[in-house]
Amino acid sequence: QVQLQESGPGLVKPSQTLSLTCTVSGGAISTDNYYWTWIRQPAGKGLEWIGRIYASGSTNYNPSLMSRVAISVDTSKNQFSLKLSSVTAADTAVYYCARVYYYDGTFDYWGQGALVTVSS
Amino acid sequence: DIQMTQSPSSLSASVGDRVSITCRASQRINKSLNWYQQKPGKAPKPLIYTASNLQSGAPSRFSGSGSGTDFTLTISSLQPEDSATYYCQQSYSPIWTFGQGTKVEVK
Repeated sequence: QVQLQESGPGLVKPSQTLSLTCTVSGGAISTDNYYWTWIRQPAGKGLEWIGRIYASGSTNYNPSLMSRVAISVDTSKNQFSLKLSSVTAADTAVYYCARVYYYDGTFDYWGQGALVTVSS
Repeated sequence: DIQMTQSPSSLSASVGDRVSITCRASQRINKSLNWYQQKPGKAPKPLIYTASNLQSGAPSRFSGSGSGTDFTLTISSLQPEDSATYYCQQSYSPIWTFGQGTKVEVK
């Protein structure tokens, strides 16, 4: 059974960089056929896709966040990470990591989510 | 980007009712449409993939249909545990997008 777990600071100051890591267990992140992705959800609102990475390191990002986002992968640790720079209060949200099946784009396994608050 | 619009935004129905949620894409996406269920405080769970295929472990009362721009999620006989918010998501474009969600209340 694949499991994903987000970790990182729960409080980030405005203008600083939000950093989260997703640790994958129960399967190798280097496995073919899967993307690894980040999604966020402000309180009481819908889901916003942030970006994805393949084990090879190739990435795609939401155009609305592209100038501030970087996703990386560390196959030796079975982890992938999110960095979001120049954060504001609007970036306060629950951040989820998930696995996505390459062939149909289904987000089949999700982490439990990590609340990140941007505040001074 | 492909915009996904769900309707209604919320609905209330009784146990045993047949319930349908619609998702419309701003351009044709073939059958590249997935559905998720999210309960408060929890991560979304996949229900339907490629428009009409039931995800492993999802109850058989859930079904999906549609192609092109118009899609429907149907719950054939609403149960108390189906109280949740439902999201559609397109995977046709390299830039994935979600609908705004439909909140289902079970009376």
